[in-house]
Amino acid sequence: IAGITQAPTSQILAAGRRMTLRCTQDMRHNAMYWYRQDLGLGLRLIHYSNTAGTTGKGEVPDGYSVSRANTDDFPLTLASAVPSQTSVYFCASSDSWANEQFFGPGTRLTVL
Amino acid sequence: TQLLEQSPQFLSIQEGENLTVYCNSSSVFSSLQWYRQEPGEGPVLLVTVVTGGEVKKLKRLTFQFGDARKDSSLHITAAQPGDTGLYLCAGGMGAQKLVFGQGTRLTINP
Repeated sequence: IAGITQAPTSQILAAGRRMTLRCTQDMRHNAMYWYRQDLGLGLRLIHYSNTAGTTGKGEVPDGYSVSRANTDDFPLTLASAVPSQTSVYFCASSDSWANEQFFGPGTRLTVL
Repeated sequence: TQLLEQSPQFLSIQEGENLTVYCNSSSVFSSLQWYRQEPGEGPVLLVTVVTGGEVKKLKRLTFQFGDARKDSSLHITAAQPGDTGLYLCAGGMGAQKLVFGQGTRLTINP
């Protein structure tokens, strides 16, 4: 059982380029989340989806978009990357009323 | 402004010592979770507490949820080098969302 997979593992990107971070889960969880993790700031929610076909904005949504066409996949797109989007990005999923979340291994993104 | 404040942010102690990490907020949470994160990996859930005053033990780790469900603590007894890592608390909000503290980076020296 893989749980949650993320791709790529790391990426260096020129500012202004478009980038999609991929996230797939095989646990059939309804809810999925994208976070960014920056030193001293912990994990901040970018976007979330409570179920396939619906998405919502988190704490830091600007510059990012998501889609949830099916239960398993939740891609995160940076339409025009900027250096402040340099971070480690984590995808997570949950299917419990207490919202216990399972995290992927992360994608380390550097925007130059 | 951080909704959940963790303290201390950094802690380095010797093997065998005891320690407590705190997670505080002015908000009430439906649940409080603690995660541990190793370098290069995603956070892994340690425990969930849901009832005010609840205490849970996981081997040498003791977790407590405050009576008013606004704060929590993690106490480690006789710390070992394997306890080294980043500890994150997270509070359950509405609409199936969590808000995370900024983390406590713990180093246990042999």
